[in-house]
Amino acid sequence: DVKVTQSSRYLVKRTGEKVFLECVQDMDHENMFWYRQDPGLGLRLIYFSYDVKMKEKGDIPEGYSVSREKKERFSLILESASTNQTSMYLCASSLASADQLYNEQFFGPGTRLTVL
Amino acid sequence: RKEVEQDPGPFNVPEGATVAFNCTYSNSASQSFFWYRQDCRKEPKLLMSVYSSGNEDGRFTAQLNRASQYISLLIRDSKLSDSATYLCVVFSGGGNKLTFGTGTQLKVEL
Repeated sequence: DVKVTQSSRYLVKRTGEKVFLECVQDMDHENMFWYRQDPGLGLRLIYFSYDVKMKEKGDIPEGYSVSREKKERFSLILESASTNQTSMYLCASSLASADQLYNEQFFGPGTRLTVL
Repeated sequence: RKEVEQDPGPFNVPEGATVAFNCTYSNSASQSFFWYRQDCRKEPKLLMSVYSSGNEDGRFTAQLNRASQYISLLIRDSKLSDSATYLCVVFSGGGNKLTFGTGTQLKVEL
C-alpha cells in the first residue's frame, strides 16, 4: 500500500511565524506535490517536484517555498505565515510520467493549518 | 472561466436512487480525465478514470464527451456509503499536473 504521511493533522501558528509542513512517502515515487484546499476553490497546486533538489512553481506559489533534499521527503515552508494561508494543505506523490501519461497521485491525510 | 467546473450540490438522494454529476472543462487539449472521491475530512482518492468510450466499474459509470468538453459520473443504486464529495479532475499533460474541480457533494439518505 502506498503511504503518504504528513507531519501534523492540525497546526496553529501566529502571523509572521515560519512554518514547516513535512511530507514523506514510502513508495519511491519521483513526483511529489503540495496543494491547498479551500471551500469553493478546490485543490490548487502550490509547488511540485520531479526529483531530488528539483522544484517547479504551481498555480499559487506566492508566500511559499519548498525543499526536497531526499527523494521520500518534500517540505512546504511558509516563510512568514499570514491569515490568508489558513487552509487545508495536502501532499501527494506519484510515479514519474512518461510520454505525457498520467500516473495516479496518492494523497496524504492533510494538515489543517490555522494562522492567527 | 474556471478550467474545471462542477455543480457544488449538495445532491440529496434516497438510498437506491440513481444520480448523475456533470463536469465541464475549458482546455480542449486536455488529455485524461478522472473522478476522485473525497470523504469528509479525508484526502482525495482516485475513484475511476474516464475514457472516450465510457467505462463502468460496478455501480459507477463514467463518460467523456470531447466535442462538448464535459465528463459525467453516474451512480446507480446509491448506498449510504456513497455519501462524499466527488471531484472532477483533468490532466492536460506536462509533469503529471492535475486540475481539480471544486467538487460535487452527494448525500445519500435513508
